[in-house]
Amino acid sequence: IAGITQAPTSQILAAGRRMTLRCTQDMRHNAMYWYRQDLGLGLRLIHYSNTAGTTGKGEVPDGYSVSRANTDDFPLTLASAVPSQTSVYFCASSDSNGQGSGYTFGSGTRLTVV
Amino acid sequence: DQQVKQNSPSLSVQEGRISILNCDYTNSMFDYFLWYKKYPAEGPTFLISISSIKDKNEDGRFTVFLNKSAKHLSLHIVPSQPGDSAVYFCAASAWGNDMRFGAGTRLTVKP
Repeated sequence: IAGITQAPTSQILAAGRRMTLRCTQDMRHNAMYWYRQDLGLGLRLIHYSNTAGTTGKGEVPDGYSVSRANTDDFPLTLASAVPSQTSVYFCASSDSNGQGSGYTFGSGTRLTVV
Repeated sequence: DQQVKQNSPSLSVQEGRISILNCDYTNSMFDYFLWYKKYPAEGPTFLISISSIKDKNEDGRFTVFLNKSAKHLSLHIVPSQPGDSAVYFCAASAWGNDMRFGAGTRLTVKP
């Protein structure tokens, strides 16, 4: 089934630990995105990538890093997790800028930092 | 700095009636507006969009209206069905790379 796979589904992480959230798409979309969803704030863009080899900062990039070594994979790394990074993280992709047909989202990773 | 605002956290309507979800934005550079629907434990799914050069876009039971002068858009669902119960996110973008989302409105359609 074409779409986006995120792993893990959920994780409890000790503060200060390093964590990589995985995201893989099989639609050959050029652009990929990472959002976090927090109650009352909706989805906020963390980082994006317009094409393999390029990345950009979104609205809330601090404490996060990404890489885009190939078209399909877009991992998100928390170098040293803090409790404020407790959130649900969604990876998304689009074939261009996503305006006409929107983004395709994964099912999310629920991360709790304690 | 929330550039896209959904001021109603929740909305409850009777099956068969119209659901109207509202969204306001502040950035006049936004040129494309979208609505997404989200069920629990799933990612958002794209529902309908509208370009800033239009004021209405219709797709089956779903219609989006855009009022650029008021920086306001709305999603109409008619007739509403119990399966429409979900969280609806309004989103807006300028050039596509930085799509901003509202906080969401939880719609409950009662049988």
